Amino acid sequence: EAGVVQSPRYKIIEKKQPVAFWCNPISGHNTLYWYLQNLGQGPELLIRYENEEAVDDSQLPKDRFSAERLKGVDSTLKIQPAELGDSAVYLCASSRQGQSETQYFGPGTRLLVL
Amino acid sequence: GQNIDQPTEMTATEGAIVQINCTYQTSGFNGLFWYQQHAGEAPTFLSYNVLDGLEEKGRFSSFLSRSKGYSYLLLKELQMKDSASYLCAVRRQAGTALIFGKGTTLSVSS
Repeated sequence: EAGVVQSPRYKIIEKKQPVAFWCNPISGHNTLYWYLQNLGQGPELLIRYENEEAVDDSQLPKDRFSAERLKGVDSTLKIQPAELGDSAVYLCASSRQGQSETQYFGPGTRLLVL
Repeated sequence: GQNIDQPTEMTATEGAIVQINCTYQTSGFNGLFWYQQHAGEAPTFLSYNVLDGLEEKGRFSSFLSRSKGYSYLLLKELQMKDSASYLCAVRRQAGTALIFGKGTTLSVSS
């Protein structure tokens, strides 16, 4: 079974530029999460999708961040415009409804804003 | 607020046993997870506890006491490749996101 796929793995941009990250979850996983991880910290939720519906976006900075999950499969997270403080790792995870609902993470996109 | 505490760093030697503790204070509890994360890589799932007691999986075991808001991850027969960050995470309700601690960086030396 293929894992969670993310691209790109690394991205370097200048501040005020837009950037987009893509995630393809594990097949059959209806729940998709975007997390932000700063250096030396645990991941923090940005947004959670149940199928194509964003059910928890309370932590998403909506002035500059947006996300979509068309057709309830892959998802895109966008930042426009990027700020220096956005430099971090953006992790995508997915899970299947069930007893444990274990979340499985992709390799992440490491963003550096200059 | 939600609070998950774990030690920042631990060191141990090859072949030894190490216990990484995690205490939590959350509004709601629906499971506790441990993940391993090597530098520059994704967190990988290690264990899941929802009931009190010990869950054993090979060299790794995880314990949960819901009344005490406490868990630990026990790593036996340590190997160099076990050097990584270990993340404790709590799910407050079914189907919701995890709340993570800051992670414990374990260094295993020969």
